[in-house]
Amino acid sequence: DARVTQTPRHKVTEMGQEVTMRCQPILGHNTVFWYRQTMMQGLELLAYFRNRAPLDDSGMPKDRFSAEMPDATLATLKIQPSEPRDSAVYFCASGLGTMNTEAFFGQGTRLTVV
Amino acid sequence: AQSVTQPDIHITVSEGASLELRCNYSYGATPYLFWYVQSPGQGLQLLLKYFSGDTLVQGIKGFEAEFKRSQSSFNLRKPSVHWSDAAEYFCAGRGGSTLGRLYFGRGTQLTVWP
Repeated sequence: DARVTQTPRHKVTEMGQEVTMRCQPILGHNTVFWYRQTMMQGLELLAYFRNRAPLDDSGMPKDRFSAEMPDATLATLKIQPSEPRDSAVYFCASGLGTMNTEAFFGQGTRLTVV
Repeated sequence: AQSVTQPDIHITVSEGASLELRCNYSYGATPYLFWYVQSPGQGLQLLLKYFSGDTLVQGIKGFEAEFKRSQSSFNLRKPSVHWSDAAEYFCAGRGGSTLGRLYFGRGTQLTVWP
């Protein structure tokens, strides 16, 4: 059963520490999305990759967030340094890259910065 | 701006009653629209999607949605709600110049009374 895998599922870290979240997209999918979900803002699109190239990362705070795809099987989202306001659930989703196809979501990483 | 809007933050229905969740879009060209469901602590699961053809689309779990261009709406419906339908529902869309980005509404929380 193909699925998007995110690790870790939960992360508690102290303010100022680096946080790395990982995502394994579904094999054969060429688009990857990173979303952040909070009560206040809902689902925000942070970054969007196609064929491993970043098409849009305008939703990310550039000074502390970075997103990469080192290879087709791994996407990473890093926060350095982390702040309490970064506490949220971070979702990765992958898709086939056409307008009429859906994004498949992982279970999310719940990040708490204390 | 191109977006989707869900006017209702929270809806409560009795089990067995009918359900309609509202979604409005603001894409200039024909949009590609999706409904997702999120259970607590889980990722988002696709219920159904629309991109062309028949304006009434059927999805999983007995849900359907109707695309109405004249009203810029894509409302989700279910004739008889089950207690297990309690969850958060998200409308999402892409189109026009979004270049494949998938944008989500703020979500509607559904509570089902026994």
